Amino acid sequence: SQQGEEDPQALSIQEGENATMNCSYKTSINNLQWYRQNSGRGLVHLILIRSNEREKHSGRLRVTLDTSKKSSSLLITASRAADTASYFCATAKNSGGYQKVTFGTGTKLQVIP
Amino acid sequence: SQTIHQWPATLVQPVGSPLSLECTVEGTSNPNLYWYRQAAGRGLQLLFYSVGIGQISSEVPQNLSASRPQDRQFILSSKKLLLSDSGFYLCAWGTSGRGTYNEQFFGPGTRLTVL
Repeated sequence: SQQGEEDPQALSIQEGENATMNCSYKTSINNLQWYRQNSGRGLVHLILIRSNEREKHSGRLRVTLDTSKKSSSLLITASRAADTASYFCATAKNSGGYQKVTFGTGTKLQVIP
Repeated sequence: SQTIHQWPATLVQPVGSPLSLECTVEGTSNPNLYWYRQAAGRGLQLLFYSVGIGQISSEVPQNLSASRPQDRQFILSSKKLLLSDSGFYLCAWGTSGRGTYNEQFFGPGTRLTVL
């Protein structure tokens, strides 16, 4: 079954505003990761939050994790036109010697200059 | 530093033709390797993963197969392509071992169009 489900599916904001994307999942996890994908390109890892962490920051990114609600959020502050991309959450669980990572369907963010 | 390569970048193939996509990783040893497919405007679907040479696990039944002939080489193949095989194929690697909390590193992808 699909693990990560992001919402909204699409988000359009003005440059300088904050963008918030949410991710919900269904089963227990070891960690949750957020990735970014520019159109037609590969994915780039942004940030990883472990299951025993509640909040993590990296530059203009802030990620929260609520394991009781099985949800996470990615906040991009002071957005820039260059932040325009699709953002995916991915839940990770160790399984038989490898880390099984399941991706959500993504949020398409457009930042209007 | 580690790098991951995929080729070709784009491919247009007729229905029923064979397929071979290659992925190689440099700068690391014994990586876990993954093949994903991304349909237009959708998320990623894990197709295959490999924890070592010759070890392939399939996540979904399909028309595709994978092989790992060398430690840092991962190949995605098909004997006869279907229209539904069209999509964006991404290779990724991650460090191996239980209890590791590591991200996956993705290649640039191959856009496959089956006509």
